[in-house]
Amino acid sequence: GAVVSQHPSWVICKSGTSVKIECRSLDFQATTMFWYRQFPKKSLMLMATSNEGSKATYEQGVEKDKFLINHASLTLSTLTVTSAHPEDSSFYICSARKQTINNEQFFGPGTRLTVL
Amino acid sequence: AQTVTQSQPEMSVQEAETVTLSCTYDTSENNYYLFWYKQPPSRQMILVIRQEAYKQQNATENRFSVNFQKAAKSFSLKISDSQLGDTAMYFCAFMKHANNNDMRFGAGTRLTVKP
Repeated sequence: GAVVSQHPSWVICKSGTSVKIECRSLDFQATTMFWYRQFPKKSLMLMATSNEGSKATYEQGVEKDKFLINHASLTLSTLTVTSAHPEDSSFYICSARKQTINNEQFFGPGTRLTVL
Repeated sequence: AQTVTQSQPEMSVQEAETVTLSCTYDTSENNYYLFWYKQPPSRQMILVIRQEAYKQQNATENRFSVNFQKAAKSFSLKISDSQLGDTAMYFCAFMKHANNNDMRFGAGTRLTVKP
């Protein structure tokens, strides 16, 4: 199998605080993970590509100092939303790429962030 | 840059009928993958079907099949014998056939299967 988990599944925080979201590949190693953001009734927008042992690659318009990504091991990537504001409220989804001939990606269940 | 277009924001179909969801894409790549994902209310992304661009044969998975037209850059999804559990958002996605490849999604089509 190929299971990806995210923790927490939902979080509510006060404006100005930081929130960390974890993405784990439970039964495979993932040198590359991806972070997406999804607004209500909208599509998934790629935020950044997370590579184990190196700096993440951010999409245009995504503030790297705002959304800190750390991919410290082959099974864990974290996304930290720093100094969160209400406009950061969204659904955050990660995916992990399994190194097969097809480079399949497997998605986590997502994390709903609400900033008050 | 690759773009994926889904021109049908919403669609509905009667249970047991057949429905086709449209997707077009734009790329200069010759080798790539195309996907259809289902996102039910739980928000978990579920892979429905995948197509490799170098394969001419259309992919099928039980009640789900695609019509892949490479020259036209079209990748439609046909759902046969629609079931109530098929009600969900459906996203078409594109991925380059390369290392560090990320996935690009269309805007999605909300499908409702009516009893």
